[in-house]
Amino acid sequence: GNSVTQMEGPVTLSEEAFLTINCTYTATGYPSLFWYVQYPGEGLQLLLKATKADDKGSNKGFEATYRKETTSFHLEKGSVQVSDSAVYFCALLDTNAGKSTFGDGTTLTVKP
Amino acid sequence: GAGVSQTPSNKVTEKGKYVELRCDPISGHTALYWYRQSLGQGPEFLIYFQGTGAADDSGLPNDRFFAVRPEGSVSTLKIQRTERGDSAVYLCASSLSTGFGETQYFGPGTRLLVL
Repeated sequence: GNSVTQMEGPVTLSEEAFLTINCTYTATGYPSLFWYVQYPGEGLQLLLKATKADDKGSNKGFEATYRKETTSFHLEKGSVQVSDSAVYFCALLDTNAGKSTFGDGTTLTVKP
Repeated sequence: GAGVSQTPSNKVTEKGKYVELRCDPISGHTALYWYRQSLGQGPEFLIYFQGTGAADDSGLPNDRFFAVRPEGSVSTLKIQRTERGDSAVYLCASSLSTGFGETQYFGPGTRLLVL
């Protein structure tokens, strides 16, 4: 079956530091890949997505590239802010079914 | 426009009781999904609807769980004979269709606590 493995947290960084959160997946076929973010007290929000190999999704300074050869979709940001503190979830959408498979989430705390 | 809404936001019940959780999807979205999220974990798929029919219910843990979407809009997740292990946040999501790469939009969730 499909699975998503995320870098374990929590991750604590200073403001303006570089962020990488690793995500690898196992899937049959050609899934679409997503990063969702959950800010404290709020629901899941789509951060970015990529639907085919070598596509790069980007939003709010975050980027992730769909790497089919390494089955990875690592999330990066060049300079984090305190407001980026949240839980980040990597997910894949099975092209043959409607359901998404999520990783367990990575908690990011950014300190001033 | 309005996003996905879920009611109630919190539900406390006793072991053995019946509960219903409601989801109002984004207007015009034909696909609707239910997920369950336990503490410290990612959402886990339960069931999804395309229109009024359940297209995939393979994630429902047992026959105590049932969901309906009679008019192709609002959906209700029903849990019979609740158990303490059912305690979790139940998330609903909707999407315009189930096409390739379609984004799912999530509601705020219903936090269920079974005592």
